[in-house]
Amino acid sequence: GQQVMQIPQYQHVQEGEDFTTYCNSSTTLSNIQWYKQRPGGHPVFLIQLVKSGEVKKQKRLTFQFGEAKKNSSLHITATQTTDVGTYFCAAFSGGYNKLIFGAGTRLAVHP
Amino acid sequence: ETGVTQSPTHLIKTRGQQVTLRCSSQSGHNTVSWYQQALGQGPQFIFQYYREEENGRGNFPPRFSGLQFPNYSSELNVNALELDDSALYLCASSGGQGAPSGANVLTFGAGSRLTVL
Repeated sequence: GQQVMQIPQYQHVQEGEDFTTYCNSSTTLSNIQWYKQRPGGHPVFLIQLVKSGEVKKQKRLTFQFGEAKKNSSLHITATQTTDVGTYFCAAFSGGYNKLIFGAGTRLAVHP
Repeated sequence: ETGVTQSPTHLIKTRGQQVTLRCSSQSGHNTVSWYQQALGQGPQFIFQYYREEENGRGNFPPRFSGLQFPNYSSELNVNALELDDSALYLCASSGGQGAPSGANVLTFGAGSRLTVL
């Protein structure tokens, strides 16, 4: 079945540094979604990318979908302590009834 | 607009027991998906319910079963509990005109944390 691999598994940065997490698939994806889970919380939807080469921005967050629709990235500029959490990419497997999550990248931000 | 609510928030069971977890979907959503999240891992898809029928299933044994009711709320039942079933169980609703950014985006509840001793 569909799998999405995320790297790195864990990253800690100093506040103000940039952060990037990558999501890769061996097959072409119909779309990709990103979620954030704060420590002790539940996943919260951030964004959905659908088009090849798509780039979307949300304040300091930039999301990209690869030209081949097999990879995606999330980049955070000038991290803040509020960015702490685990970032998951997710993609559909075999139709729109099974959203499969990557293992996530856990971000720690040191003030 | 109410979000996704799950109950109970925490529970402790012993091996071999059975558990029922409940989920009320967000207003306007007609589809419910259940996920298991072990500590430090990503959510693992258990199954999805749409129109009161199972609409997709992950790699979980038959002792994991579910229901969806006419008001779109749902239950997750796990029989013959094993120690490895200890996890956070997340319910997510989607679909319908009330769904944000598209019908396939999931809105998660806060989860039910199950501990099996």
